[in-house]
Amino acid sequence: DAGVIQSPRHEVTEMGQEVTLRCKPISGHNSLFWYRQTMMRGLELLIYFNNNVPIDDSGMPEDRFSAKMPNASFSTLKIQPSEPRDSAVYFCASSFSVGTGDYEQYFGPGTRLTVT
Amino acid sequence: GENVEQHPSTLSVQEGDSAVIKCTYSDSASNYFPWYKQELGKRPQLIIDIRSNVGEKKDQRIAVTLNKTAKHFSLHITETQPEDSAVYFCAATNTGNQFYFGTGTSLTVIP
Repeated sequence: DAGVIQSPRHEVTEMGQEVTLRCKPISGHNSLFWYRQTMMRGLELLIYFNNNVPIDDSGMPEDRFSAKMPNASFSTLKIQPSEPRDSAVYFCASSFSVGTGDYEQYFGPGTRLTVT
Repeated sequence: GENVEQHPSTLSVQEGDSAVIKCTYSDSASNYFPWYKQELGKRPQLIIDIRSNVGEKKDQRIAVTLNKTAKHFSLHITETQPEDSAVYFCAATNTGNQFYFGTGTSLTVIP
């Protein structure tokens, strides 16, 4: 398996533009997580899905952020409009956790977003 | 909700010495405690984990201990090597979904 795949790896955009980050989880995994990492705030969970259903989006900073998971193999995180303070590394992670006790999350390589 | 605190935030050791990183958690229902290593510019990767029914787990030079009564767990790295230099994160969860991460420890191993 190629692991969790994220695209793009780097994104530079201007303030006000729409940004879409993409994630392909590991095949067979049923949970997907979006994290944001900054020096100031560390690793923050934005939202997670279980069986393609958003379970907890309390970490989404504001209405400018939205996430979807239309099927088990694809998810997007959208920021519209983007602001400089959204600059961060965004990680997607997936796991298979259905009461098995195997909770290991596998992280993708991340998308480094810079908003100017 | 769960609150995970991690100490120290930075740690420097001489090559060959041991390094210890400690985390405390607040939710007694937490039952899974992973440790992730993140090298500069890379993704976090799981290096070791422990479940609440185990007190200690070892994997070569790394080990994790868990004290459920005191609600703390620690990462131990022995015979440190320069390639151990990275940021280490602890986490806690009781559902496998909502992981609560510590703020990270930047470990530097001095050759």
